[in-house]
Amino acid sequence: DTAVSQTPKYLVTQMGNDKSIKCEQNLGHDTMYWYKQDSKKFLKIMFSYNNKELIINETVPNRFSPKSPDKAHLNLHINSLELGDSAVYFCASSQDWGRAYGYTFGSGTRLTVV
Amino acid sequence: KNQVEQSPQSLIILEGKNCTLQCNYTVSPFSNLRWYKQDTGRGPVSLTIMTFSENTKSNGRYTATLDADTKQSSLHITASQLSDSASYICVVSANNAGNMLTFGGGTRLMVKP
Repeated sequence: DTAVSQTPKYLVTQMGNDKSIKCEQNLGHDTMYWYKQDSKKFLKIMFSYNNKELIINETVPNRFSPKSPDKAHLNLHINSLELGDSAVYFCASSQDWGRAYGYTFGSGTRLTVV
Repeated sequence: KNQVEQSPQSLIILEGKNCTLQCNYTVSPFSNLRWYKQDTGRGPVSLTIMTFSENTKSNGRYTATLDADTKQSSLHITASQLSDSASYICVVSANNAGNMLTFGGGTRLMVKP
């Protein structure tokens, strides 16, 4: 029973393509997040959704668009992929926006743009 | 600007030995500090969470300490095992809207037989 699951685990695509990464959590959490882990292993927050509403957008290019059909799902769609988008993307969830506990990460999606 | 710095960047130790990883932060206002273990190709998994009033917290062979005055934390691993080989990430949460997390760059630990 995977708590936070992401698909695909690996994604290799050409520059200019449009791709999506899916995330689902079965923890009953209200808040979900997308993080980008760069080559230096720093995790940087991209988006946060609380009960299907966007609450954080950390100056991410508008080629990235999160979509949350319900509070258990937060998908990441990327348009016109660039080489610099190559990274590992992590989905996470927490009990709610204000709580410090319950943060759970998915296993990541390694995106390679060629 | 909120920052979290970890040292060393990488560490190699022999199986059975102890080690200590360091974390310095400038996150304000401080809410809590977490240590995560990230195995290669996996997402981070929480080891400990400490609030302002907690000085030490243990989770098996992992013991974390927190000095909120000097804004330093350490993670001590006792009697290391091969399975301890991973990246250890220090994460500090700010006590503001959204409890924004600031991640350190991690310490890459390799335990050799």
